[in-house]
Amino acid sequence: AQTVTQSQPEMSVQEAETVTLSCTYDTSESDYYLFWYKQPPSRQMILVIRQEAYKQQNATENRFSVNFQKAAKSFSLKISDSQLGDAAMYFCAYRSARGGGGSEKLVFGKGTKLTVNP
Amino acid sequence: SAVISQKPSRDICQRGTSLTIQCQVDSQVTMMFWYRQQPGQSLTLIATANQGSEATYESGFVIDKFPISRPNLTFSTLTVSNMSPEDSSIYLCSVEQYYEQYFGPGTRLTVT
Repeated sequence: AQTVTQSQPEMSVQEAETVTLSCTYDTSESDYYLFWYKQPPSRQMILVIRQEAYKQQNATENRFSVNFQKAAKSFSLKISDSQLGDAAMYFCAYRSARGGGGSEKLVFGKGTKLTVNP
Repeated sequence: SAVISQKPSRDICQRGTSLTIQCQVDSQVTMMFWYRQQPGQSLTLIATANQGSEATYESGFVIDKFPISRPNLTFSTLTVSNMSPEDSSIYLCSVEQYYEQYFGPGTRLTVT
């Protein structure tokens, strides 16, 4: 079974600075998807960024980028120019690329609480 | 991306009673998922609901406790039955489009 580990329960960053959130995962599969979700206090889960395992290029979405190291099974999220609105819980998640048999489900890490200081 | 609504947004219930949570999507989707998020915790999948078939439950969750309906491609319900304080959680539904899951706003349930 796949597992996702987020080793930083809490992180803090100064407004306008850069912060990196860590995520490692364990799988025997070669094809899969990785995601970062943001959950602000409103509790709405928001998809931040997605990475396909077969792509070597790291995904970027505006101020958010990932460092995907497939061999090391590492998937970190970098937030540049941090804003107060980035304060939230961030969850790393894994999805198999297989179809059927329950493989569509997301496996989540325990989350990292990000605080942004003004 | 799909737009998902849930009802109710929150409720306070007495132990021993049942609550049905509704999830509505603005487009037709094959797969819908129900998650539980206990206070301060991550998300745990309860079950996967495909239209026209029985829901598939994860280990530790049973149909008698969490019956699910999926009458069409845009709607699903989750019932939390015979509630106890341990059922106090946020319950979220999600749908998948193009290998990405989108979540509803969640239902905050408190059992007293």
